[in-house]
Amino acid sequence: EDQVTQSPEALRLQEGESSSLNCSYTVSGLRGLFWYRQDPGKGPEFLFTLYSAGEEKEKERLKATLTKKESFLHITAPKPEDSATYLCAVQEWGSNYKLTFGKGTLLTVNP
Amino acid sequence: GAGVSQTPSNKVTEKGKYVELRCDPISGHTALYWYRQSLGQGPEFLIYFQGTGAADDSGLPNDRFFAVRPEGSVSTLKIQRTERGDSAVYLCASSLAGGGSPLHFGNGTRLTVT
Repeated sequence: EDQVTQSPEALRLQEGESSSLNCSYTVSGLRGLFWYRQDPGKGPEFLFTLYSAGEEKEKERLKATLTKKESFLHITAPKPEDSATYLCAVQEWGSNYKLTFGKGTLLTVNP
Repeated sequence: GAGVSQTPSNKVTEKGKYVELRCDPISGHTALYWYRQSLGQGPEFLIYFQGTGAADDSGLPNDRFFAVRPEGSVSTLKIQRTERGDSAVYLCASSLAGGGSPLHFGNGTRLTVT
């Protein structure tokens, strides 16, 4: 059973069309949930860490939220440069700080 | 400032050969991680160093894989008797400390075993 499931696998948006990406997780004790952005041929780039249900963080057109079972990455009025794969990862208590990643959502924003 | 540096960026080797992949973490970062990413998948944990010691090597797939960090900075991932299934992008990440500090990733080494 996957610990981290991201949906949809791929999403196409028109520029300015807001949407949300989902990350559902099943862990015994969540220490932190991380969002990363990955461009082709590059390593993941850190976006946010969320620690507790109800927490929200924002950066430009992105806002991440967290509940006890899932996290959402909301993208408001996206631009073509927001096109990338967005990865979600969880860190469990007692896991020696390692991150368990989902498979990612490939976002394409068309001009 | 300088980010995590990985060399080489690409490595093509023949089945059965030995390879070494190098990672230079961000200066001052005590924690270092190796991950492996296959096409269409998220990164998969291999090993975690805190300082010079491997604090968690539970992700190494078998004893052909080994990693060292002798001086607590640069790390080398070593793969013996490579197999075609080892082909993937090997990512290195570092952080200020373990725990909730965000991981900063390099751009990876793309390993192809022919």
